[in-house]
Amino acid sequence: DAKTTQPPSMDCAEGRAANLPCNHSTISGNEYVYWYRQIHSQGPQYIIHGLKNNETNEMASLIITEDRKSSTLILPHATLRDTAVYYCIVRVVNFGNEKLTFGTGTRLTIIP
Amino acid sequence: GAGVSQTPSNKVTEKGKYVELRCDPISGHTALYWYRQSLGQGPEFLIYFQGTGAADDSGLPNDRFFAVRPEGSVSTLKIQRTERGDSAVYLCASSPTSGGFGVNTQYFGPGTRLTVL
Repeated sequence: DAKTTQPPSMDCAEGRAANLPCNHSTISGNEYVYWYRQIHSQGPQYIIHGLKNNETNEMASLIITEDRKSSTLILPHATLRDTAVYYCIVRVVNFGNEKLTFGTGTRLTIIP
Repeated sequence: GAGVSQTPSNKVTEKGKYVELRCDPISGHTALYWYRQSLGQGPEFLIYFQGTGAADDSGLPNDRFFAVRPEGSVSTLKIQRTERGDSAVYLCASSPTSGGFGVNTQYFGPGTRLTVL
């Protein structure tokens, strides 16, 4: 699976949009971009995933560049409960390749 | 409905002892995964089950680690002759399906914090 690069930490003011970048310059055509987050003392929580097109769900939006070498997770109106470590993961999704390879993620702190 | 549950939530043991960690996946989920997470690091894959069989055990660090899922539901991670370096949070996840395109969302439990003295 392709390697990802994320900033180690970011701050965002409560109520503002949090934009978390991820570089995956070696991504292959059949690799998806996944985002998980981990709130302190909890297991990771799935947020969103995508292949080429931008995606949106009730939690966040995922913007993938046209060349697919980078992406941005957007939390539109950050709250204090969004303080967590956010992991960007790139992986092939097919039978027999099921593991998630986590990096060290971005520690996002929401400031009141 | 109930999520993934793991017991115990905390386990303290002495070096050289044997421990078992239990995972109850979400009902009906056929795929089950074990990860471990050291302080300050992201989770690291250990083993993946599809039904009762281990489909990928490439992440198990050595033969002291073993996992079973005899009836395709509950799984137990077993660690023999524990070492201080085994101290970590052990996470379990389950998924409703295996493979497919973009559908393999893994749902994680809260983890078991293992401390080896």
